Amino acid sequence: DQQVKQNSPSLSVQEGRISILNCDYTNSMFDYFLWYKKYPAEGPTFLISISSIKDKNEDGRFTVFLNKSAKHLSLHIVPSQPGDSAVYFCAASGGGADGLTFGKGTHLIIQP
Amino acid sequence: SAVISQKPSRDICQRGTSLTIQCQVDSQVTMMFWYRQQPGQSLTLIATANQGSEATYESGFVIDKFPISRPNLTFSTLTVSNMSPEDSSIYLCSVLSGMDHEQFFGPGTRLTVL
Repeated sequence: DQQVKQNSPSLSVQEGRISILNCDYTNSMFDYFLWYKKYPAEGPTFLISISSIKDKNEDGRFTVFLNKSAKHLSLHIVPSQPGDSAVYFCAASGGGADGLTFGKGTHLIIQP
Repeated sequence: SAVISQKPSRDICQRGTSLTIQCQVDSQVTMMFWYRQQPGQSLTLIATANQGSEATYESGFVIDKFPISRPNLTFSTLTVSNMSPEDSSIYLCSVLSGMDHEQFFGPGTRLTVL
């Protein structure tokens, strides 16, 4: 039973436009949500997080939105740049010392 | 963020053998985690390793197969024992940041079992 779902295996976006990556979860005990970016042959790199008490968190070109009632979050990247091409993982945690539960990832391709 | 290194970066092993993966952090951390990413799959938590206590394993993972050591606040090892081709994965360690429950990951160890 997959508790964190990323239903789009890949997404292609033109450079300069907005990239929107989506993530759904089923476990209502999750308190923190994180986005990671991963290049081949490297470990995941932390991008941005949001706690369940907020509905939006922004950091530069990256904004994460959380809709708790829908158990849905999204990552917006504006404007998209070629270096943003990577696999993006959504992850969730119950907080404290909990490990992370990851989605399967979305491969974002930024077209020039 | 912490700087994390892993050794080896990759290895090819024969079935039935064991491999120990090392994870070194440049600062003292309380919580360390071990994950694996099987081909085409997501990252899955294997266990949580705290210094001075036994590792806590997730469902589906057992100490006999994946023994973990945590001798101090900057180092941990994960052993993959009696390997089979199904153990071919990327193994990653991570540490918990004090800020917003972020975890920072090492570069990973790519293991291929023949």
